[in-house]
Amino acid sequence: EVQLLESGGALVHPGGSLRLSCAASGLSGLTFSTYAMSWVRQAPGKGLEWVSGIIGGDGGGSITYYADSVKGRFTISRDNSKNTLYLQMNSLRAEATALYYCAKNILTGSYSANYYFYMDVWGKGTTVTVSS
Amino acid sequence: DIQMTQSPSSLSASVGDRVTITCRASQDINNYLAWYQQKPGKVPKLLIYAASTLQSGVPSRFSGSGSGTDFTLTISSLQPEDVATYYCQKYNSAPHTFGGGTKVEIK
Repeated sequence: EVQLLESGGALVHPGGSLRLSCAASGLSGLTFSTYAMSWVRQAPGKGLEWVSGIIGGDGGGSITYYADSVKGRFTISRDNSKNTLYLQMNSLRAEATALYYCAKNILTGSYSANYYFYMDVWGKGTTVTVSS
Repeated sequence: DIQMTQSPSSLSASVGDRVTITCRASQDINNYLAWYQQKPGKVPKLLIYAASTLQSGVPSRFSGSGSGTDFTLTISSLQPEDVATYYCQKYNSAPHTFGGGTKVEIK
């Protein structure tokens, strides 16, 4: 059974940077490379917000997607040799304060530039607080 | 971007009641819709994908329907363990927006 463990959450000042990691276990390195993965966040007392996604498979590591609220400041990436997903967060703002979940995706198809994926396995999350 | 609107934002029902939550997309998303359950203090859990396909292990009292812009999650007989917030999510294209959530409580 796939398990996801996020880390890297911390208290950071506005304008600062942080890199989150998500280590996958319970699968082989080859399998991780084929998975689409996402980051989802949840501000305190609020709902879920999809943040970013990355497609797996041959060449899939270069296909990334972002919410408008983080585009240009956050970067999703993966190291398949380490079964690890990352989220580099720059120019952090107070509204980025949240619990950040890593999620494994089920990719159901694609058409043109669109990939269809939903989240079937979630980590427990890591907390990011942006405050002075 | 496509917006996802859930209603109601909260509801209270008795054990055994039939509960219906709706999710409306601002544009046609075909059947690329998933439903998640998040119990208090817990991690979200996938319930339904492709608008109506039950995820393995999910009790059969949960069902989903709809296509295009209007979708429904139904709990046929509400149980105490169903107390949670339920979210819809579109996944036809990025951004994979979630609805605002529906909090379900026991009366």
